[in-house]
Amino acid sequence: QKEVEQDPGPLSVPEGAIVSLNCTYSNSAFQYFMWYRQYSRKGPELLMYTYSSGNKEDGRFTAQVDKSSKYISLFIRDSQPSDSATYLCATSGNNNDMRFGAGTRLTVKP
Amino acid sequence: DGGITQSPKYLFRKEGQNVTLSCEQNLNHDAMYWYRQDPGQGLRLIYYSQIVNDFQKGDIAEGYSVSREKKESFPLTVTSAQKNPTAFYLCASRQGQAGGIQYFGAGTRLSVL
Repeated sequence: QKEVEQDPGPLSVPEGAIVSLNCTYSNSAFQYFMWYRQYSRKGPELLMYTYSSGNKEDGRFTAQVDKSSKYISLFIRDSQPSDSATYLCATSGNNNDMRFGAGTRLTVKP
Repeated sequence: DGGITQSPKYLFRKEGQNVTLSCEQNLNHDAMYWYRQDPGQGLRLIYYSQIVNDFQKGDIAEGYSVSREKKESFPLTVTSAQKNPTAFYLCASRQGQAGGIQYFGAGTRLSVL
């Protein structure tokens, strides 16, 4: 079993839709949670960073962490064609053990 | 401009050849990382370094080597022992302590001729 499971998609939605991206993880010691966005042939860029459980909102993006169920989510409201990218979830604990999901490829169609 | 610079963007390796990927950062970060990305597999850790002159193997270190002689630089050598080197290689550096945000370079795509 992978430490971080993420549905690779691909996921295709119409412009303006609400997108839900999800990951599960297995290590209860993980307490830092991140979402990265990666455009084709580019390096990942940080989108959201959350410590422990709870919600964090930044514009059209909301990150949720439920440590009791080891479940992390990213919601994108009013999705735009420019949101088309691969989204990677990542988690880590108090050492150099950052683990990444496989990434979900999202396409937002105009 | 602060950031992480990887070069070259594209690299081709001949059979039996060692090649070196460059990674330079001017963020003053202590920790640096090398990842390999294959389609559908996410990022896998090759090597990491927390301070100058020290580095540790990651999950898939076989066939790779690194050095950390300067804080700003963390080059990765893909040796001839790595039999399946074709992949996208990403360098990252970490802000602050363990659990801190990792920032990535633009990547190097390595292919075998």
